[in-house]
Amino acid sequence: AAGVIQSPRHLIKEKRETATLKCYPIPRHDTVYWYQQGPGQDPQFLISFYEKMQSDKGSIPDRFSAQQFSDYHSELNMSSLELGDSALYFCASASGSVTGELFFGEGSRLTVL
Amino acid sequence: AQSVAQPEDQVNVAEGNPLTVKCTYSVSGNPYLFWYVQYPNRGLQFLLKYITGDNLVKGSYGFEAEFNKSQTSFHLKKPSALVSDSALYFCAVRDGARPGRRALTFGSGTRLQVQP
Repeated sequence: AAGVIQSPRHLIKEKRETATLKCYPIPRHDTVYWYQQGPGQDPQFLISFYEKMQSDKGSIPDRFSAQQFSDYHSELNMSSLELGDSALYFCASASGSVTGELFFGEGSRLTVL
Repeated sequence: AQSVAQPEDQVNVAEGNPLTVKCTYSVSGNPYLFWYVQYPNRGLQFLLKYITGDNLVKGSYGFEAEFNKSQTSFHLKKPSALVSDSALYFCAVRDGARPGRRALTFGSGTRLQVQP
């Protein structure tokens, strides 16, 4: 079965650079979520989109932005990167009712030097 | 606000013994509860969920969880642990009182170590 695809899997950037992460949800899933997981931390919710509109907002820094496109893929844009942005970034997708579980991708590991 | 607490950073159990990973939650409405497992450098894999109905929920890989409304708990259990169950386990909640496809809030995670 198709899963959530994230790219790139690994990314190394310098401080103050920008980075873009991509997420391709499971086909026919209408909601995409972005989470950030620091070393030894639980996943922290950043932002989500339902039918290409922002549906919920968590602890996303102002330096970050995201959008969902017409083909339902989503991109997380991160600017003015800081050392503390080094983390695993997960995308998850879901479909159907509010009781549905999230399906996670394998994550994109961002390292800021 | 919705929140989850996992009081144990690590649980150690011998292979073949039963295991329990604890989780308590706080929501304003009805809770939608989930358990996920994460292996090193991998994404979170869904194990099971409680929405309504029977308090004992069965999931993947022989895991089950018991919902207890009075204790606001949703402990993960398995009758006989395997070494391959060693991983990081996250409990998560969504508040049913909040409209829309709200994100899940995760607990801090519990590392399960199963010794041969």
